[in-house]
Amino acid sequence: ETGVTQTPRHLVMGMTNKKSLKCEQHLGHNAMYWYKQSAKKPLELMFVYNFKEQTENNSVPSRFSPECPNSSHLFLHLHTLQPEDSALYLCASSATGTGGTGELFFGEGSRLTVL
Amino acid sequence: AQSVTQLGSHVSVSEGALVLLRCNYSSSVPPYLFWYVQYPNQGLQLLLKYTSAATLVKGINGFEAEFKKSETSFHLTKPSAHMSDAAEYFCAVTPANDMRFGAGTRLTVKP
Repeated sequence: ETGVTQTPRHLVMGMTNKKSLKCEQHLGHNAMYWYKQSAKKPLELMFVYNFKEQTENNSVPSRFSPECPNSSHLFLHLHTLQPEDSALYLCASSATGTGGTGELFFGEGSRLTVL
Repeated sequence: AQSVTQLGSHVSVSEGALVLLRCNYSSSVPPYLFWYVQYPNQGLQLLLKYTSAATLVKGINGFEAEFKKSETSFHLTKPSAHMSDAAEYFCAVTPANDMRFGAGTRLTVKP
């Protein structure tokens, strides 16, 4: 198993659909992250979970709903999205605590297209 | 707050030439600094990291970077570019749980 696994790798959805992105990490980390990467824009941090608790929400619209049932799994539930939400969504994990460097380990990403 | 600035959104070099990608950081505390590489339609992969040990850091694929506190820089270099080095490169700074990325530099390698 690779360190951080994201499914699906590609997703096409209409604006009225409901879908979910899944992320799983096999590294024993206790922090997980969702990033959005749009063309010609810097990486945008969306959500941070630390020990299953959400510690950061960077003013993300409510049509994106994260869920972290345990330290190994992270979901991003999507509903009534807009075409401008089309992007590569990256999941990452890290070890936190004293002495941690904050190094992020990324998944391969889920390419989302909203029609 | 921490931040990084990558100078040059696009860099083009010939195969075999020196690669130099520039990164300057701003940090109120001793930083940890990283370079990541991203190939098309893939996630970010760690190239190397500086965590306050040696100032010259060696990474994968022949890349290295030097931490220069006096210049607040962490430039990425490779002596001889290979076609497979064509990708997007991101500089990042953190203390933990708050990694900040630069805007990225796209490296093109010409035959």
